[in-house]
Amino acid sequence: EVQLVESGGGLVQPGGSLRLSCAASGFTFSSYWMHWVRQAPGKGLVWVSGIKNGGSRTSYADSVKGRFTISRDNAKNTLYLQMNSLRADDTAVYYCAKGGIQPNWGQGTLVTVSS
Amino acid sequence: QSVLTQPPSASGTPGQRVTISCSGSSSNIGSNTVNWYQQLPGTAPNLLIYSADQRPSGVPDRFSGSKSGTSASLAISGLQSEDEADYYCAAWDDSLNGWVFGGGTTLTVL
Repeated sequence: EVQLVESGGGLVQPGGSLRLSCAASGFTFSSYWMHWVRQAPGKGLVWVSGIKNGGSRTSYADSVKGRFTISRDNAKNTLYLQMNSLRADDTAVYYCAKGGIQPNWGQGTLVTVSS
Repeated sequence: QSVLTQPPSASGTPGQRVTISCSGSSSNIGSNTVNWYQQLPGTAPNLLIYSADQRPSGVPDRFSGSKSGTSASLAISGLQSEDEADYYCAAWDDSLNGWVFGGGTTLTVL
């Protein structure tokens, strides 16, 4: 059974940093694109970033480009999202998602950016 | 503003059939597959349809999907009260090199 467990969310001040992690199990992690998707309170789903199987290729939404960095450790089956220069509009539940024909999603971790 | 266009709301009575549309472009739906997600209040999105018309195991056959050109549709037949949820379409976008989503459709069972 595919399991994706996010961690690292919390309350951070504007301009601060946070690193999210996503522990994966139940599938061959190194064979899939992995993604981060976020959902602001009461709003829809927005793709944030994706990383290819081996980590050689990454892509970002314009809203986070230059501030967020996605990475992965295939030996530890873990996906990361380093978030810097956080703003109030980054407040959201952040979901980790496995790519492929049948995507799987984690339960999400809440990031709140507020003073 | 979302890249894929969905109606913000839909409704039906128990037993009815409802459809939700999703419109995109040649860089996303027109050249890639479409997935549909159901999101119940306070929970993570759940994959309902993948590859435009395939159901994951455990999803009732009341749910069906289709795709034509740059548009896709989700149909729910035999509507039930537990189908009240938000529904999102999604597709890979070749220009963005990432997923794009519709704005979501809130389904109300009257």
